[in-house]
Amino acid sequence: GQQVMQIPQYQHVQEGEDFTTYCNSSTTLSNIQWYKQRPGGHPVFLIQLVKSGEVKKQKRLTFQFGEAKKNSSLHITATQTTDVGTYFCAEITGFQKLVFGTGTRLLVSP
Amino acid sequence: NAGVTQTPKFQVLKTGQSMTLQCAQDMNHNSMYWYRQDPGMGLRLIYYSASEGTTDKGEVPNGYNVSRLNKREFSLRLESAAPSQTSVYFCASTAGNYGYTFGSGTRLTVV
Repeated sequence: GQQVMQIPQYQHVQEGEDFTTYCNSSTTLSNIQWYKQRPGGHPVFLIQLVKSGEVKKQKRLTFQFGEAKKNSSLHITATQTTDVGTYFCAEITGFQKLVFGTGTRLLVSP
Repeated sequence: NAGVTQTPKFQVLKTGQSMTLQCAQDMNHNSMYWYRQDPGMGLRLIYYSASEGTTDKGEVPNGYNVSRLNKREFSLRLESAAPSQTSVYFCASTAGNYGYTFGSGTRLTVV
């Protein structure tokens, strides 16, 4: 079946440091979505990437889709304690089903 | 507030008991989904409904049934709960080609 792997599984940073999570697939992705889940919360949609090489920004967050559409990344500049949570990438498959990556848990120390 | 509403938020069941998790959305979305999330793991699709009147199995359907009651409501039933079904269950909906809106989840423990 489809597998979307994320690395790292876990990262602990000091507030103000940058953070990057990577999403990799063995097959070409049609498109990719990113979600954030706060501890004890539910996933919240962040963004969708569709085009090869696409780059989108949301304030301190930068999302990229690889040229070959087999990988994606989320980069956070100057992390804040409010960035704490687990970040998931997900591929859209038939009938708008999402196949989620394994997630990267981010902890930010003040 | 517009969104996806799940009930109950917490539930403890004994092995063999049955229960139905309720989900309703008020965004007029066609597609609805049930996922489960286990510690340290991502979300796995149990069942989905691409449109009113249709349902289909996802990655982990065994032990579950669903009903798409109308466009708004999509319920998940555990006929005979097992400890392996201890998990957090999320319902989600989408209008299509955009992000999912998730409910706040049901934390289920089967003892």
